[in-house]
Amino acid sequence: EAQVTQNPRYLITVTGKKLTVTCSQNMNHEYMSWYRQDPGLGLRQIYYSMNVEVTDKGDVPEGYKVSRKEKRNFPLILESPSPNQTSLYFCASSPISWSRGAYEQYFGPGTRLTVT
Amino acid sequence: DQQVKQNSPSLSVQEGRISILNCDYTNSMFDYFLWYKKYPAEGPTFLISISSIKDKNEDGRFTVFLNKSAKHLSLHIVPSQPGDSAVYFCAASATEYGNKLVFGAGTILRVKS
Repeated sequence: EAQVTQNPRYLITVTGKKLTVTCSQNMNHEYMSWYRQDPGLGLRQIYYSMNVEVTDKGDVPEGYKVSRKEKRNFPLILESPSPNQTSLYFCASSPISWSRGAYEQYFGPGTRLTVT
Repeated sequence: DQQVKQNSPSLSVQEGRISILNCDYTNSMFDYFLWYKKYPAEGPTFLISISSIKDKNEDGRFTVFLNKSAKHLSLHIVPSQPGDSAVYFCAASATEYGNKLVFGAGTILRVKS
């Protein structure tokens, strides 16, 4: 089954304690992206990757890091989480589009993070 | 500055009637538009899309209309079913921006039986 998986699904942590949210896709997609969803703001892009070892900032990258060492995995790292990073996080993947707007992206089930 | 706006936070419709969800955009570079549906505790799933070279696209009960001059698109669901109750996100992309999707804030649709 084609899917994007994320772990953990729920996480409660304290300010400053480093954490990693994993993301994996089994569709051999080149493009992967992280979003956060906040009430009234929709989904905002944090970071994205066009392929292995190629990552770039999205609209709200402050306080986050990513890596893309393998095509299937795209972990999101919060080195020193703060309460304003409490949010619902989604990982997504798609084929690369070179000649038109973005292809439809496949989303993971989400990770609800609470930072106290 | 939100480039994609869904001005109705919620919409309530009777089962069997038409649901119309609206979306406005400000960036004239956008040339491809998508609608996603999201159920609680799940990720968004792709519903339907439309290219800027078209003004209408249909897929079963779902039709998306695009009015480029007004920078407005709408999603029509006919007939609405209780299982359509979800959050609907409008998203836009531009060839020049690569694979980036810009999302609206979402509209909660409730279909009453």
